[in-house]
Amino acid sequence: LAKTTQPISMDSYEGQEVNITCSHNNIATNDYITWYQQFPSQGPRFIIQGYKTKVTNEVASLFIPADRKSSTLSLPRVSLSDTAVYYCLVGDQVSGGYNKLIFGAGTRLAVHP
Amino acid sequence: EAQVTQNPRYLITVTGKKLTVTCSQNMNHEYMSWYRQDPGLGLRQIYYSMNVEVTDKGDVPEGYKVSRKEKRNFPLILESPSPNQTSLYFCASSLRDGGNQPQHFGDGTRLSIL
Repeated sequence: LAKTTQPISMDSYEGQEVNITCSHNNIATNDYITWYQQFPSQGPRFIIQGYKTKVTNEVASLFIPADRKSSTLSLPRVSLSDTAVYYCLVGDQVSGGYNKLIFGAGTRLAVHP
Repeated sequence: EAQVTQNPRYLITVTGKKLTVTCSQNMNHEYMSWYRQDPGLGLRQIYYSMNVEVTDKGDVPEGYKVSRKEKRNFPLILESPSPNQTSLYFCASSLRDGGNQPQHFGDGTRLSIL
């Protein structure tokens, strides 16, 4: 099975840039890398998705190297409201498809004043 | 409003008593999926469905059943619940494949099996 690895936790301060890296050594050829944010007592919420190189939207950037075996979520100028758990999601190449999905264990980000 | 609705939100029950958690989406999505979330383990996929009458096992399917008779509904069935199925469950849907399309998640169902 594909395996994703993320840091368990990170700490930051308001106004700083935060980078969270996810390793996915067996990503499916045609699969995308997706990041989600989860607050306590809520379902995960989509942040950003990419296939290769760099993707940017209004809340984050996603950097993916050429070999696609890792990805880095970048949150610019974090605020207290960015305190949450962040998950990366990829498919499972071993299963032969991209419908079986493997989440990382999540990175708990704490933003301090 | 586009949403994924799960019911019930909370349930405490006893070992062996069959239960069903319903999931419904109003976005005409083809892909639906169930996850369980346990401390330290993140989100693990239980079952998924690519479309009506098409379902397949995820990472942790043991002890669960699903059905997809209509596009909008994807119930999760625990035929004989056991305490190790105590967990927080999420249903999700996406337009097509869950890996290449953003998934929309429900608010979760917290199950306690005594």
